[in-house]
Amino acid sequence: AQSVTQLDSHVSVSEGTPVLLRCNYSSSYSPSLFWYVQHPNKGLQLLLKYTSAATLVKGINGFEAEFKKSETSFHLTKPSAHMSDAAEYFCVVSHPSGSARQLTFGSGTQLTVLP
Amino acid sequence: DTEVTQTPKHLVMGMTNKKSLKCEQHMGHRAMYWYKQKAKKPPELMFVYSYEKLSINESVPSRFSPECPNSSLLNLHLHALQPEDSALYLCASSPMGLAGTNEQFFGPGTRLTVL
Repeated sequence: AQSVTQLDSHVSVSEGTPVLLRCNYSSSYSPSLFWYVQHPNKGLQLLLKYTSAATLVKGINGFEAEFKKSETSFHLTKPSAHMSDAAEYFCVVSHPSGSARQLTFGSGTQLTVLP
Repeated sequence: DTEVTQTPKHLVMGMTNKKSLKCEQHMGHRAMYWYKQKAKKPPELMFVYSYEKLSINESVPSRFSPECPNSSLLNLHLHALQPEDSALYLCASSPMGLAGTNEQFFGPGTRLTVL
């Protein structure tokens, strides 16, 4: 069985300061992990994905995440927050289901960026 | 073309109406998905189509009827909906196969309001 826990429902940072969004996962398989971002009233956009190659994954807009198997974590970071980063972020694990793949979503983290 | 498009963007309907949501992708993906998303919640999977065949129905009420006319199109037919069905309906697609990451690409969604 797969599960994802996002440890913070809300994170608030000042513009220009670092961002840390925390995610722990549980998976019966070697996991495929993703971070998606959703701006208000929009669809989900893929930020980055873990493909079992490099453990440090770089994504779009300066975000990166580190896969730590020993800690079953996949935390999302960004060195310097921008106002446009304010959005909902979902940590997601992918697993095969029949011939397609199903996603298990975390509950989401709302990121607020203060001026 | 790396987009998933959805029409309409907004839909308001009465409980006796029949309407349809449309989703289209031209990335050659053979898996397509419908999700329902309530405010401040992660998306919930409704249906999965694999090679134009319905492979997963997550116990969705029969007032929602999916259809996959071809490999690029996915429809969701709506009839006799309830006010609690008001939500953002998201379509997604992904490549097929159990190997690899096969991330899902999401459309912008249709905001549905049932009066």
